[in-house]
Amino acid sequence: AQRVTQPEKLLSVFKGAPVELKCNYSYSGSPELFWYVQYSRQRLQLLLRHISRESIKGFTADLNKGETSFHLKKPFAQEEDSAMYYCALSGVEGGSEKLVFGKGTKLTVNP
Amino acid sequence: KAGVTQTPRYLIKTRGQQVTLSCSPISGHRSVSWYQQTPGQGLQFLFEYFSETQRNKGNFPGRFSGRQFSNSRSEMNVSTLELGDSALYLCASSSQPTGGSYEQYFGPGTRLTVT
Repeated sequence: AQRVTQPEKLLSVFKGAPVELKCNYSYSGSPELFWYVQYSRQRLQLLLRHISRESIKGFTADLNKGETSFHLKKPFAQEEDSAMYYCALSGVEGGSEKLVFGKGTKLTVNP
Repeated sequence: KAGVTQTPRYLIKTRGQQVTLSCSPISGHRSVSWYQQTPGQGLQFLFEYFSETQRNKGNFPGRFSGRQFSNSRSEMNVSTLELGDSALYLCASSSQPTGGSYEQYFGPGTRLTVT
């Protein structure tokens, strides 16, 4: 079964500290993985996708197929990074293609 | 370009009633997906429509149904409402159907409260 696990419900760091939001997945095929972010009073929006291998707002995420992980990292956290972060996997299950989300990690960056 | 719009934004219904939610995708997008978001279960996929056809369906009972019109606008209907249906219902549109690395653009959601 397609599954996305974000083990930390809450994560708090200080400004300037490195941050890593964990994401593990379970999927038998080749996954398409994403990170979505929701800032306070804003809509859920795409942050980055693994296929692009891009860095957005200083965030990067590497797909590790061996560890079935797609952790989100940023070397120096900023206060404006405080938000809810969701890891998502696009795949096929039971003949149905769908986007499966983790339950999210609330990141708080303290001044 | 205007973003995804959802109406109404808030809704209060009584158990046993039915409700219809509406979603207008970004112009040119033909894929519309619906999600239910609750504190306990998080974001759960309901179904996806592409070019007026339901392509994919999540694990929800038949009380949850939807449709898509020729202008790509979509409606979601929930019949015989239960207390557990109280949630934020999100709609997302995309230029292509789910299955690739295409971005989904989310609406603000409809907050449904069932009493």
